[in-house]
Amino acid sequence: EDQVTQSPEALRLQEGESSSLNCSYTVSGLRGLFWYRQDPGKGPEFLFTLYSAGEEKEKERLKATLTKKESFLHITAPKPEDSATYLCAVRTTSGTYKYIFGTGTRLKVLA
Amino acid sequence: EAQVTQNPRYLITVTGKKLTVTCSQNMNHEYMSWYRQDPGLGLRQIYYSMNVEVTDKGDVPEGYKVSRKEKRNFPLILESPSPNQTSLYFCASRSGGEQYFGPGTRLTVT
Repeated sequence: EDQVTQSPEALRLQEGESSSLNCSYTVSGLRGLFWYRQDPGKGPEFLFTLYSAGEEKEKERLKATLTKKESFLHITAPKPEDSATYLCAVRTTSGTYKYIFGTGTRLKVLA
Repeated sequence: EAQVTQNPRYLITVTGKKLTVTCSQNMNHEYMSWYRQDPGLGLRQIYYSMNVEVTDKGDVPEGYKVSRKEKRNFPLILESPSPNQTSLYFCASRSGGEQYFGPGTRLTVT
């Protein structure tokens, strides 16, 4: 069964304290791995798409990487405005247009 | 402004009373989808549509119907809502690898 697991469930960081969020996946075949940011009461906001192992994408303080079993979202020198829930999702070859989401990591960055 | 809109944003209804949540996008996207989000379960896909008149089930389609008669609209229909359909619902449309989500509809079924 295709599955996406995110860890940790919640993370508290001091401003400037870098860390990584993990997304591990078990799928029959990967068509893409996606990272989203979700603020309270709002819809998810797209961050990155990764398609193959070894691929990396960067945007401001965020960097996403992909291996054959997991993806990491690295947050460098975070600021309080980076506080949000970060969601990981996969699109698999078994369901061409289906998406499977993880339950997210709630990030709180303290000033 | 490119966006996905949903209406209503909040809805409280009673068991068995048919309802429709509308979704519209102005980006000319072919792919649209509906999700529900529940604490501890994350986002789960209900239905998706690859184009006009083409729809398919996601992981949790039971109790829901959809239609795609126009490219921009993708309404979600609950013919006989039940309390276990109380949830936060999101509509999304896709361009390439990016999904754009609407603001959400919070539904409570009593």
